[in-house]
Amino acid sequence: NAGVTQTPKFQVLKTGQSMTLQCAQDMNHNSMYWYRQDPGMGLRLIYYSASEGTTDKGEVPNGYNVSRLNKREFSLRLESAAPSQTSVYFCASSTNGGRVNEQFFGPGTRLTVL
Amino acid sequence: GDSVTQMEGPVTLSEEAFLTINCTYTATGYPSLFWYVQYPGEGLQLLLKATKADDKGSNKGFEATYRKETTSFHLEKGSVQVSDSAVYFCALFHSNSGYALNFGKGTSLLVTP
Repeated sequence: NAGVTQTPKFQVLKTGQSMTLQCAQDMNHNSMYWYRQDPGMGLRLIYYSASEGTTDKGEVPNGYNVSRLNKREFSLRLESAAPSQTSVYFCASSTNGGRVNEQFFGPGTRLTVL
Repeated sequence: GDSVTQMEGPVTLSEEAFLTINCTYTATGYPSLFWYVQYPGEGLQLLLKATKADDKGSNKGFEATYRKETTSFHLEKGSVQVSDSAVYFCALFHSNSGYALNFGKGTSLLVTP
């Protein structure tokens, strides 16, 4: 049981390049999330998917797109990377919203945009 | 809207000292409250949680009590170890606010031998 896995762990991009961050979970969770973590800002939600086939914007969606490929996988795409997107990106999953919504996190992807 | 405020760090303590990290929240109704821990270079791990007023969450010697009257969820540990050095995040979930956890900005803890 690997939990939540993310690839790659590190990435350096040039401004304008595109890339996709991959996330997968093996806990049969319905909901999945993408957060970014910036110094002094805590974690901010980019997008989430409450169930397979649905996605919704979070607090900071601009410059990103997502795909919920199936129940296990939820990818985050940067179409044209900008230095402001330099951050650590975390994927998370949970059974569903419910009342508690305990979320499980992946190890993160550290992205630098030059 | 909902929000979480944590004491700012970094917090530096000697091994075996008593730890308190303050967390207060703003929310309507009865949110669920969490403490997550992030060790260097790793993702966030759930440390403990409480889902209703007066609940006490506990794990690995850490405790936090959900205080509705003071809208607080302070994290405590009686005797910290060097291995507790990490960043600690207080978080709130309220089903009326969608699916996201609402995180505080994090408090960095350094424990020295």
